[in-house]
Amino acid sequence: GAVVSQHPSRVICKSGTSVKIECRSLDFQATTMFWYRQFPKQSLMLMATSNEGSKATYEQGVEKDKFLINHASLTLSTLTVTSAHPEDSSFYICSARRMQGISEQFFGPGTRLTVL
Amino acid sequence: ELKVEQNPLFLSMQEGKNYTIYCNYSTTSDRLYWYRQDPGKSLESLFVLLSNGAVKQEGRLMASLDTKARLSTLHITAAVHDLSATYFCAVTDTGTASKLTFGTGTRLQVTL
Repeated sequence: GAVVSQHPSRVICKSGTSVKIECRSLDFQATTMFWYRQFPKQSLMLMATSNEGSKATYEQGVEKDKFLINHASLTLSTLTVTSAHPEDSSFYICSARRMQGISEQFFGPGTRLTVL
Repeated sequence: ELKVEQNPLFLSMQEGKNYTIYCNYSTTSDRLYWYRQDPGKSLESLFVLLSNGAVKQEGRLMASLDTKARLSTLHITAAVHDLSATYFCAVTDTGTASKLTFGTGTRLQVTL
């Protein structure tokens, strides 16, 4: 149990376009989902915390108008990178926390974004 | 602000040797995690440590937690090549319910 999926796994886009990444909890309901960004050879940095039915909470330095997060249901959160630029190229990883039980986060497989 | 540091950042070790990775954090926390990440992949959960003195072992890896010293260790016994990966510790801040702060990561390379 506790499987989290992400789609797409890899995306290449042109500068100026928008890209949507989906994060789904497949076998459990998640009140909270988290979005992380990881640059090559670096650690994971939390971008935002997404709660079902409410606005996301963004970390300091993360532009909320550029990284749009929607958490429309207990099993789906989306991250849209708007007007992507090459510096947005990164590995984006989501995680989900169960409604009940321990508060451990379960991580998705990640999405590799390359902006040309 | 919670800060989490790991050392070493890079570790090259021979097969069969033992070594320890250290994880220090700056404020009180209610749980500490260890993860493994292979190149190009996401995180694989290794251990969750919940209380002072907690020790968990899985195969050649053993993790421990000292909350008073704000220190966790990940001990590798008789390393094998399959353990080559990057290892992260992560800590939850007691005031922010599950918000994880990750350590800098330790890239482990096990050579023959």
